[in-house]
Amino acid sequence: EVQLVESGGGLVQPGGSLRLSCAASGFTFSAYSMTWVRQAPGKGLEWVSYINSGSTTIFYADSVRGRFTVSRDNAENSLYLQMNGLRDQDTAVYYCARGEGSSWFYYWGQGTLVTVSS
Amino acid sequence: QAVVTQEPSLTVSPGGTVTLTCGSSTGAVTSGHYPYWLQQKPGQAPRTLIYDTTNKHSWTPARFSGSLLGGKAALTLSGAQPEDEAEYYCLLSYSGGAVVFGGGTKLTVL
Repeated sequence: EVQLVESGGGLVQPGGSLRLSCAASGFTFSAYSMTWVRQAPGKGLEWVSYINSGSTTIFYADSVRGRFTVSRDNAENSLYLQMNGLRDQDTAVYYCARGEGSSWFYYWGQGTLVTVSS
Repeated sequence: QAVVTQEPSLTVSPGGTVTLTCGSSTGAVTSGHYPYWLQQKPGQAPRTLIYDTTNKHSWTPARFSGSLLGGKAALTLSGAQPEDEAEYYCLLSYSGGAVVFGGGTKLTVL
């Protein structure tokens, strides 16, 4: 069974940093692209970042480029999102999603909440 | 950045048919935007119903279908069920790897 479990969320002050993780199981992690998507409380979905299976292709949304860094460790079956310079508007539930074929968003995790507040 | 537009809310009767649409501020939506449709119920993670305009996942009920309609991406629900009440998001892909979600359509089955 495919499982994606996000962790690392919590309360952080504006300007602070946080590292999110997405632990994958039930499939060959190294074969699939991964994506981060976030959802502010009561709001819609926002794509954050994409990384392909070999980490050779990476994309970011304009709203996070230069502040967030996506990476993966295929040996550890884990995806990461390093978030620096956090702002109030980064407050959201962060989901990781696994791709398959031409679909970037085949399976979804349950999300982890990041709250940026003083 | 492009803006993706959806109807804020729609209502369908049980057993009825409804079409949700997804437009782009840059012009007509084409298959080259690889349109997706996702369903999200309160308190749950999203799940993908349709990708690449028309492709369904194994868990996508047969009553859902995707298409291009009048310059927009469309999600048609034929034979609505109470459990289809949810928020539906479309997303489009643009050059340079950018992906933009629509604001969502709240579908009520009533």
